[in-house]
Amino acid sequence: AQKVTQAQTEISVVEKEDVTLDCVYETRDTTYYLFWYKQPPSGELVFLIRRNSFDEQNEISGRYSWNFQKSTSSFNFTITASQVVDSAVYFCALSELNTGTASKLTFGTGTRLQVTL
Amino acid sequence: EPEVTQTPSHQVTQMGQEVILRCVPISNHLYFYWYRQILGQKVEFLVSFYNNEISEKSEIFDDQFSVERPDGSNFTLKIRSTKLEDSAMYFCASINPASNTGELFFGEGSRLTVL
Repeated sequence: AQKVTQAQTEISVVEKEDVTLDCVYETRDTTYYLFWYKQPPSGELVFLIRRNSFDEQNEISGRYSWNFQKSTSSFNFTITASQVVDSAVYFCALSELNTGTASKLTFGTGTRLQVTL
Repeated sequence: EPEVTQTPSHQVTQMGQEVILRCVPISNHLYFYWYRQILGQKVEFLVSFYNNEISEKSEIFDDQFSVERPDGSNFTLKIRSTKLEDSAMYFCASINPASNTGELFFGEGSRLTVL
């Protein structure tokens, strides 16, 4: 069975600090997708990234970057120069490629990021 | 930008009452989902729906739950007889499998409070 672990329950940083959110996953499939979602205080789920298991290239999008390491089953997320608006709960998620349910996501328990001035 | 819309945003109901949560997925999407998030906890898969039938459901999705797409646009989740533990945020989601990003689009959620 698939499982996503986000060991960091809550992280507090001061604005402009860099912060890394950890995600470790378990799956028996060789083909799968990994995701990060942001949930701001307003409650909606905001898609940040999807990465497939064959693509281990790291990705950077503005202040956000993702480090996918298949050897350690990790998909960590770094925010550079954090801002107060980054305060949210961040969820890592995994989906295995089953027919018809390719987007059945298994979520981690989330990491609450608090960025203060 | 197209979005998934959900109504109501918040519903308060008495235990034992029936509740229907409504969702309008993005129009060219083919797969539809309901997820649930109990307050402060992780988001959990409930059910997926494709080609007018359930394609997969979790153990949470018992006989009290049902989904349907009655008119080709709305996608509803019905809870027949609500329990206290059904109190949660319910998210509808949809996806176009041909999408390059693979983004699963979530609605803003419907918060259900069962008293």
